[in-house]
Amino acid sequence: GAGVSQSPSNKVTEKGKDVELRCDPISGHTALYWYRQSLGQGLEFLIYFQGNSAPDKSGLPSDRFSAERTGGSVSTLTIQRTQQEDSAVYLCASSLALGTGAYEQYFGPGTRLTVT
Amino acid sequence: GQQLNQSPQSMFIQEGEDVSMNCTSSSIFNTWLWYKQEPGEGPVLLIALYKAGELTSNGRLTAQFGITRKDSFLNISASIPSDVGIYFCAGVDNAGNMLTFGGGTRLMVKP
Repeated sequence: GAGVSQSPSNKVTEKGKDVELRCDPISGHTALYWYRQSLGQGLEFLIYFQGNSAPDKSGLPSDRFSAERTGGSVSTLTIQRTQQEDSAVYLCASSLALGTGAYEQYFGPGTRLTVT
Repeated sequence: GQQLNQSPQSMFIQEGEDVSMNCTSSSIFNTWLWYKQEPGEGPVLLIALYKAGELTSNGRLTAQFGITRKDSFLNISASIPSDVGIYFCAGVDNAGNMLTFGGGTRLMVKP
């Protein structure tokens, strides 16, 4: 497909379990972002990958959150020992690396995570 | 970090009315973007602005990059029910940092 894809679209997990969320960016986009959006709220930045550079992890809320990006494409966001406050929609976005398009982020549909 | 103040937080309007929402910052921004998010979807890019004073249209939507570089507005003319959603502004500051998002304007349109 042409857009950013995310899977799963919905995830229900029990408190204390680990979850993995996947993001496939737009082909050719070297920048990838993860955001969290709580119900009815704005976007909370989590982590940013740019090419082979070290990721910007400044937005990760705790050490239970981590993310990888393999081969400069697909990214996985992992939440360990999930807590109820982790319940939110997790959005992935990608953009070009250079030029004016570098700031134009294109979002996936999100993964709705519910921790029971 | 940078903060964008977006207003109003919500609007409930009649179909056919024009809508205006804005975003302000205490510091200079070099780029302004406007997104729309519908329920259950990710935000979709509507308009990107790169020059102070720039006025850009996309159908019934018009956005402007404020001349002071500290604000931007989005207008929607002749609103229709499918305009319902949350509209987010986003900007890039003078240091070229990543996008900062506003808190969103929730638009509701009454048929």
